[in-house]
Amino acid sequence: QVQLVESGGGLVKPGESLRLSCAASGFSFSDYSMIWIRQAPGKGLEWVSYISSSSSYIKYADSVKGRFTISRDNAKNALYLRMNSLRADDTAVFYCAREVFSSGWSWDYWGQGTLVTVSS
Amino acid sequence: QSALTQPRSVSGSPGQSVTISCTGTSSDVGAYNDVSWYQQHPGKAPRFIIYDVNKRPSGVPDRFSGSKSGNTASLTISGLQTEDEADYYCCSYAGFYFFVVFGGGTKLTVL
Repeated sequence: QVQLVESGGGLVKPGESLRLSCAASGFSFSDYSMIWIRQAPGKGLEWVSYISSSSSYIKYADSVKGRFTISRDNAKNALYLRMNSLRADDTAVFYCAREVFSSGWSWDYWGQGTLVTVSS
Repeated sequence: QSALTQPRSVSGSPGQSVTISCTGTSSDVGAYNDVSWYQQHPGKAPRFIIYDVNKRPSGVPDRFSGSKSGNTASLTISGLQTEDEADYYCCSYAGFYFFVVFGGGTKLTVL
């Protein structure tokens, strides 16, 4: 069965860095585009970054552009999000999700999320 | 790009139907048939329930249906059940620059 498992979250100070990972299993990871979506405490969903199956197409939300870097390793079935210069307003649960294969711009499987807390 | 507009809350009794609206613009909801909906129970990850405006993934009951008119998409849940009580989010493709945009979420209470 399809499984996405995020890891790497934690408590960091403003300005510090963190790398999130998303381990994928149960499907052909290299065939699917992936996305990171976050949810601040008590708030709604916000897309963060998107990467196509071959990494040829990458997008970032304006709020993280220049600070976050998305990448993937199809040989390891893994998705990553490198987060630099973290700010308090980056505090959120970060989810990785798989794009629907037959139809773009929607996400059918989500991980359980990993909490990132940015606080001094 | 502003978030899509959803009512903050809706409510209904078991067995009734409720509709959640999701209003965007001619640059997102009105321009593309790439509207999806997600259900989220407290402390859980979102669950995918509607895509391409009105398609249901396998395993989602046909009590859930989607539609769109102009710049507004809608999610209708018929035959409400207590387990439907959750937050619901819409999402739309918004073109090359803005990419995607989510709604602010609607809390459904089943009375």
